[in-house]
Amino acid sequence: DSGVTQTPKHLITATGQRVTLRCSPRSGDLSVYWYQQSLDQGLQFLIQYYNGEERAKGNILERFSAQQFPDLHSELNLSSLELGDSALYFCASSVLQGSGTDTQYFGPGTRLTVL
Amino acid sequence: AQSVAQPEDQVNVAEGNPLTVKCTYSVSGNPYLFWYVQYPNRGLQFLLKYITGDNLVKGSYGFEAEFNKSQTSFHLKKPSALVSDSALYFCAVNQVYSGAGSYQLTFGKGTKLSVIP
Repeated sequence: DSGVTQTPKHLITATGQRVTLRCSPRSGDLSVYWYQQSLDQGLQFLIQYYNGEERAKGNILERFSAQQFPDLHSELNLSSLELGDSALYFCASSVLQGSGTDTQYFGPGTRLTVL
Repeated sequence: AQSVAQPEDQVNVAEGNPLTVKCTYSVSGNPYLFWYVQYPNRGLQFLLKYITGDNLVKGSYGFEAEFNKSQTSFHLKKPSALVSDSALYFCAVNQVYSGAGSYQLTFGKGTKLSVIP
């Protein structure tokens, strides 16, 4: 158990809908990262927050957004969902703002299925 | 741009035999390299990382990795494989993403390890 929690574990929804994924980082970690894992794209970095502020953006679609709250938990919002958004979404956390030597610890993921 | 390559989609090894999962990287500057393991329906678990210093890095569950700068490789090894080692293994490189000093992990496509009893 990494100490990173994600809810829900599974999510099934329809195209065009909007969902929110939630992540709580390890105690003491200030950075939260979001990743998408799919069969065709592999593991893709989406976005990073550090202490409430956006620090880095990866391959995140405009339909997706995230935020980190004062208690450091983070939410990833996915809207206008398409079939291709079906994937496993991981949250990770680390102590620092993203030092190269910093280890990221991953949560168990949320499996999103868009029908 | 930074990248990692895992040339083998699948590696099969007999229980008790040594295992190697290969990884090569391409970065400008100093590489910070990581190995993670993913068991079915689970998140990624950190195994080990190379930052600097000794080229042989020891990690969790008896795994180790050898950093080779001239060959730009970071292969994962274990002297004696267990059936419970069967999983998906990811190599990743961490390099600065922007001038703000934020780093981004870039993952390889993963290698499925099957340890045969």
